[in-house]
Amino acid sequence: DTEVTQTPKHLVMGMTNKKSLKCEQHMGHRAMYWYKQKAKKPPELMFVYSYEKLSINESVPSRFSPECPNSSLLNLHLHALQPEDSALYLCASSQEGYLEQFFGPGTRLTVL
Amino acid sequence: AQRVTQPEKLLSVFKGAPVELKCNYSYSGSPELFWYVQYSRQRLQLLLRHISRESIKGFTADLNKGETSFHLKKPFAQEEDSAMYYCALSQGAQKLVFGQGTRLTINP
Repeated sequence: DTEVTQTPKHLVMGMTNKKSLKCEQHMGHRAMYWYKQKAKKPPELMFVYSYEKLSINESVPSRFSPECPNSSLLNLHLHALQPEDSALYLCASSQEGYLEQFFGPGTRLTVL
Repeated sequence: AQRVTQPEKLLSVFKGAPVELKCNYSYSGSPELFWYVQYSRQRLQLLLRHISRESIKGFTADLNKGETSFHLKKPFAQEEDSAMYYCALSQGAQKLVFGQGTRLTINP
């Protein structure tokens, strides 16, 4: 399996809801990433996990909570989001020390 | 600060014409630069990295440290090249900074 998968594809949530985004890869990659992409903008890095430990947090608000349960899985827990958090959330993975990142198709999030 | 600039938001050329997508960067260290491409309804994927110096789908990109540029070129554009192209700079082994992107349209 040479792809990064993300579920769900689409998510609509209210500002008081709690939801989670899921990302999975079976390429043996030890680095995993979350990006946020607003319409007509480039991806912006949110978090990086390296060997299942959080290594980079780009000053993301605490209403976004990442989790890496094992080397193949990456979650993004969402709580009390704002409408401006509506965006495409991309997951990516890479071999540790290698620069090529493999991206998933993204989850399109709408916050009402 | 590290920055990637793609001066053209939109670029339109005719099929068979040469294509050049511009990318300039500012970085205090030794840069690692990439071109990523996103075709319609497909995921973002790596097109080229400067360290490999290879040609993918007829595209090449040369790192010019004097001009701090990493322009993407193809001598003869094809309709399937229509896509969104992002130039990206690696800050350390894990952090990618993307340019604003150029939407390339190839007209028949």
